[in-house]
Amino acid sequence: DAKTTQPPSMDCAEGRAANLPCNHSTISGNEYVYWYRQIHSQGPQYIIHGLKNNETNEMASLIITEDRKSSTLILPHATLRDTAVYYCIVRVAQDNNNDMRFGAGTRLTVKP
Amino acid sequence: NAGVTQTPKFQVLKTGQSMTLQCAQDMNHNSMYWYRQDPGMGLRLIYYSASEGTTDKGEVPNGYNVSRLNKREFSLRLESAAPSQTSVYFCASSVLLGRGETQYFGPGTRLLVL
Repeated sequence: DAKTTQPPSMDCAEGRAANLPCNHSTISGNEYVYWYRQIHSQGPQYIIHGLKNNETNEMASLIITEDRKSSTLILPHATLRDTAVYYCIVRVAQDNNNDMRFGAGTRLTVKP
Repeated sequence: NAGVTQTPKFQVLKTGQSMTLQCAQDMNHNSMYWYRQDPGMGLRLIYYSASEGTTDKGEVPNGYNVSRLNKREFSLRLESAAPSQTSVYFCASSVLLGRGETQYFGPGTRLLVL
């Protein structure tokens, strides 16, 4: 699985959009980009994933660059409850025998 | 629909004691996983089960055993607990769809081995 690079921490004002970047320059053509978050010792929560097209769901939007070497997770209107560690994971998705390799992630702090 | 549930939430053991962590999912997923997370670190895979009746080792299987009791349940057993097994244990299940696999995690079991 390709390695990912994320900033260790970010701050965001409540109500503003939070844009979390992720670099994955060695991504392969069959690898998806996944985003999870972990709120203070709770179980990781799935947010969104995509292959090459931009994706949007009720939680967030995922923007993947055309060369697929980087992506951005966008929380459109951050709230205090979005304070968490956000993990960007790149992995082959055709085989459900693979584990999710969580790195250090980005600690997002949403401030009032 | 409760998703992935884990019991117990907390447990304190003495060195050498045994215990079983329980995990159940009601999403009809084929695959299930056990991870551990040590303070300030990412998750590491202990064991996984791709389908009912099969189990395989992950990154850190030593000191653990698992049982895939049926499609819903996947248990993790510590036969002789050691302080190094103090951790938070997460169970997950997954489904493989056309857009790839997604894993869903339980709330975790916090284990302290004295």
